[in-house]
Amino acid sequence: GAGVSQSPSNKVTEKGKDVELRCDPISGHTALYWYRQSLGQGLEFLIYFQGNSAPDKSGLPSDRFSAERTGGSVSTLTIQRTQQEDSAVYLCASSSPMAGELFFGEGSRLTVL
Amino acid sequence: SQKIEQNSEALNIQEGKTATLTCNYTNYSPAYLQWYRQDPGRGPVFLLLIRENEKEKRKERLKVTFDTTLKQSLFHITASQPADSATYLCAPSRAGAGSYQLTFGKGTKLSVIP
Repeated sequence: GAGVSQSPSNKVTEKGKDVELRCDPISGHTALYWYRQSLGQGLEFLIYFQGNSAPDKSGLPSDRFSAERTGGSVSTLTIQRTQQEDSAVYLCASSSPMAGELFFGEGSRLTVL
Repeated sequence: SQKIEQNSEALNIQEGKTATLTCNYTNYSPAYLQWYRQDPGRGPVFLLLIRENEKEKRKERLKVTFDTTLKQSLFHITASQPADSATYLCAPSRAGAGSYQLTFGKGTKLSVIP
């Protein structure tokens, strides 16, 4: 597709379950970001992938959060043992090496009951 | 610590007027600053990027200024329309470690009243 694709668009889960969120970036974009947006809050940086470099994981809030990017393309954000405070919209973005702007997906809304 | 403040959470203006949104940052020197628009339930959409050596950037009815001395960016929408109603996010690049990542402000929700 032409844009950043995220799935699922909505996910409702029970506390303690694991969830996986997927991001398919724009073809050719070497940089990929995950952000979290809680209700009424700004975008919180989670993790950044750039090409084959080691990811910047400095924004991950706890060791229950992890992310990987396979083949420099698709990325999966995994949240283990979900808690209610994990409820938020998880946004993925990608960018090309020649430009600074980010292209965002529509987000995955996670609700932990 | 690095901090970003956008002037207000909400701004209401009359259609046809110029909307001015403010972004202030402290404790770092971004190489560039971006503005995004976010509609409810959607991901942010890029609007403009301005570099530290640029004073002003324009795109159609939009104008952004960047004052590195004041550590401030102003975002103007001239001849505002109800369709401009959205939340606008300021995003200075993070400094250090050679990594130009963005830190987003909480946004200003603009409502243009017909």
